[in-house]
Amino acid sequence: EPEVTQTPSHQVTQMGQEVILRCVPISNHLYFYWYRQILGQKVEFLVSFYNNEISEKSEIFDDQFSVERPDGSNFTLKIRSTKLEDSAMYFCASRAVGQGGNQPQHFGDGTRLSIL
Amino acid sequence: AQSVTQLDSQVPVFEEAPVELRCNYSSSVSVYLFWYVQYPNQGLQLLLKYLSGSTLVKGINGFEAEFNKSQTSFHLRKPSVHISDTAEYFCAVSDSAGGYNKLIFGAGTRLAVHP
Repeated sequence: EPEVTQTPSHQVTQMGQEVILRCVPISNHLYFYWYRQILGQKVEFLVSFYNNEISEKSEIFDDQFSVERPDGSNFTLKIRSTKLEDSAMYFCASRAVGQGGNQPQHFGDGTRLSIL
Repeated sequence: AQSVTQLDSQVPVFEEAPVELRCNYSSSVSVYLFWYVQYPNQGLQLLLKYLSGSTLVKGINGFEAEFNKSQTSFHLRKPSVHISDTAEYFCAVSDSAGGYNKLIFGAGTRLAVHP
């Protein structure tokens, strides 16, 4: 069964550094998402992406965050200048086109981001 | 705006006993409802979904859930649990009318199955 893959599984970065988290969505999916889960807290929506542009973003997704689909297969999340509070598990998800959005989202195994 | 409340943060249960994990949601629009499971050090795996039609939906691994519109609930049940069901379970909703359908998650329920 096709799956969403995320790399790296664990990223350790110094505060203030830029970090790029990578995701390869399922090949025929057209909607892409990033979520994050701070340790011990709920999974939170960051951003959705469709047709090469952001379709919706949360308050968390400020100017320090950006997303890109650079080559038709990868979907990346960049944090420009990381803060301690960016430490979390970041999940990528994708879904197929469906009537009224009835296709479920498929998640990767996540990237654990640790900011020192 | 939607919100999801999972009433129990932890549910301990003995192997082969039945279990119910509770989920209530709040929304001003029609929603789709989902249950995801997260095993240690893994991502979120879809257990089951409610889109429309029959209010009782069956998922993988013997789980089922019942949508109750009047009580705005979507409780997850399994008649007999196994040790391997030990995991974190997340209830989630999305707006059925919108095209982009972000998921709003509950805080999760940790199911601990004991021998």
